[in-house]
Amino acid sequence: QITLKESGPTLVRPTQTLTLTCTFSGFSLSTSGVGVAWIRQPPGKALEWLALIYWDDDKRYSPSLKRRLTITKDTSKNQVVLTMTNMDPVDTGTYYCAHIYTAYEEHHFFDPWGQGTLVTVSS
Amino acid sequence: DIQMTQSPSSLSTSVGDRVTITCRPSQSISSYLNWYQQIPGKAPKLLIYAASTLQSGVPSRFSGSGSGTYFTLTISSLQPEDFATYFCQQSYTSPYTFGQGTKLEIK
Repeated sequence: QITLKESGPTLVRPTQTLTLTCTFSGFSLSTSGVGVAWIRQPPGKALEWLALIYWDDDKRYSPSLKRRLTITKDTSKNQVVLTMTNMDPVDTGTYYCAHIYTAYEEHHFFDPWGQGTLVTVSS
Repeated sequence: DIQMTQSPSSLSTSVGDRVTITCRPSQSISSYLNWYQQIPGKAPKLLIYAASTLQSGVPSRFSGSGSGTYFTLTISSLQPEDFATYFCQQSYTSPYTFGQGTKLEIK
């Protein structure tokens, strides 16, 4: 059974750096085709894909946030870390990590997701 | 970026109704389209991937179809647990964008 859980601060001050950790079990990030993605959701709004990292350390970022994001993995600890610099109140929302499964013909999808962690940016 | 447009944004429906939600990418994405269900306060759950492949454990009343720039998610007979928000997402190219969501409400 695959599980993921996000952890990190619930309150961040504007201009600070947010560091979120996704701790997972049930899979290894050294297995071909496997990855972890980060997605966020402002309160009452749509989902926004942020970044992902694959087993081979291939990393992709949302172009609109690329300058502020860094994603890394620690295979030995079964963790993926996302950092976001220069936080702003508009970054308030629930942050999810999700397991990436790659099926046939490179179809990939996010399943399952962690429970999410609510991050509020406020002074 | 590929923009994903869902319609309708919300729908008032009843148990037993047949519901169809559409998703239109701003450019062709072949069949690289996934559907997720989100119950309020919960994380999204994968329903369908590759436009029409039902994820294991998902009830057969859910089905997906389409390719290119037009996709649909159909629920053949709405059950009480289906009242939720549904999102489409393209996995064709980064950034892997989501639609704005379709909220199913009880009439």
